Parts: sequence; C-alpha cells; structure tokens
Amino acid sequence: DTAVSQTPKYLVTQMGNDKSIKCEQNLGHDTMYWYKQDSKKFLKIMFSYNNKELIINETVPNRFSPKSPDKAHLNLHINSLELGDSAVYFCASSQDLAVREQFFGPGTRLTVL
Amino acid sequence: RKEVEQDPGPFNVPEGATVAFNCTYSNSASQSFFWYRQDCRKEPKLLMSVYSSGNEDGRFTAQLNRASQYISLLIRDSKLSDSATYLCVVHRDNYGQNFVFGPGTRLSVLP
Repeated sequence: DTAVSQTPKYLVTQMGNDKSIKCEQNLGHDTMYWYKQDSKKFLKIMFSYNNKELIINETVPNRFSPKSPDKAHLNLHINSLELGDSAVYFCASSQDLAVREQFFGPGTRLTVL
Repeated sequence: RKEVEQDPGPFNVPEGATVAFNCTYSNSASQSFFWYRQDCRKEPKLLMSVYSSGNEDGRFTAQLNRASQYISLLIRDSKLSDSATYLCVVHRDNYGQNFVFGPGTRLSVLP
C-alpha cells in the first residue's frame, strides 16, 4: 500500500545515455513534483504538475522532460545524461494546489559514469 | 545569499536534551512554512507546518516571526530516534506550489 512509489530505486548508466524514472501515487492527489537532491544534500524542485498540467519548470535543462499520462503518474525522462545529473531524484505529491503537505517517494539514486 | 538558510550543524546532543534549530528566509512574499525531517538515505517526511501563532506537537514546537523572516523548531526531551536532518521549507507564492528547501540541519542524539 505504498503511497508514492518510484522505479527504479537505483540507476547506473553511462554518459550520453537516455533514461527514464517512473513515479506513481495512489493517494488520489492532484499535484505531483520532481525534486533533485545533489551530493551536498540540497533538495531543489524541478517540476510540478497539477492535473497533468505543468505549472512549474525551475530552469531545468531541456534534456529533462517530465510526462504525466494521468493524475497518478509523473515520469521523468532524461536525454544525453551528464556526470552532473548524478543525484537522488525524488517524486512527491500533494492533495491539490491549496494543500501544501507533500508526500515523497523513496527516491531514485542516479549515477552517471 | 540563499533563499532559505539554516544552522549548519551538526548538533550532537545527549538524550533528554532540548535543542533548537533556526531558519531564515529572504523572500518576504513567502506564504507557508514547514519543517520536514529526512533520515539518512531516506525521503523527506513532513514533521509539522508552522503557523503564525506558533504551534506545538508533542515534544516539538515551531515558531514563525514574519517580521524577522525567521522560523524555529524546538525539540524537548530528545530521543535517539530524533536523529535526522531537519529541513526548513518555505512555500514561495500562492500559485504553483513552488517550495524552497533549506540545506538542512543534522541532529545526532547520543545515548
């Protein structure tokens, strides 16, 4: 009965590859997010979606493309991976735009070699 | 200057101690404030929201001073299980769900 799940948990890949991370929430929430936590542990918002519509894109390179096929899913596709993309990526959700409590997934640890 | 700053820590305290964390934010238009905790190699989890009048949840007390743009978290009677990184989170504006996380303050409660 996991609330916010992400796959894969670990991802090791070579520079230049394209990879995707999937996120699903079974909380019935309207709003979903992607965050990046780098090696210094800073957690930064990348994107937020509300009802499948993009509402925030925080100056993320366009190699990163989120896709929300439905309200319960927000996937992250990354093209031409670079060393600096190595980080932990967290998906999160909140009930809607008025409710601010966020529930986070367990994270995907991406290592680019 | 970062938008949200916190005591760098780490804080190493004995069990039973009282410990306080500070957080400052630079955007005066910020609307909502939170404390999250993050255990090592785990996801952040909401600890408590911070209300203008201050609020308490068991051993945890949060305070907000809008004039000084300052938020605090007080933990009384520290337990070993309180060991974690505490993240101050600021919601930037009314629309867009744009959250800014502080760098975190690490707490180790020692037996």
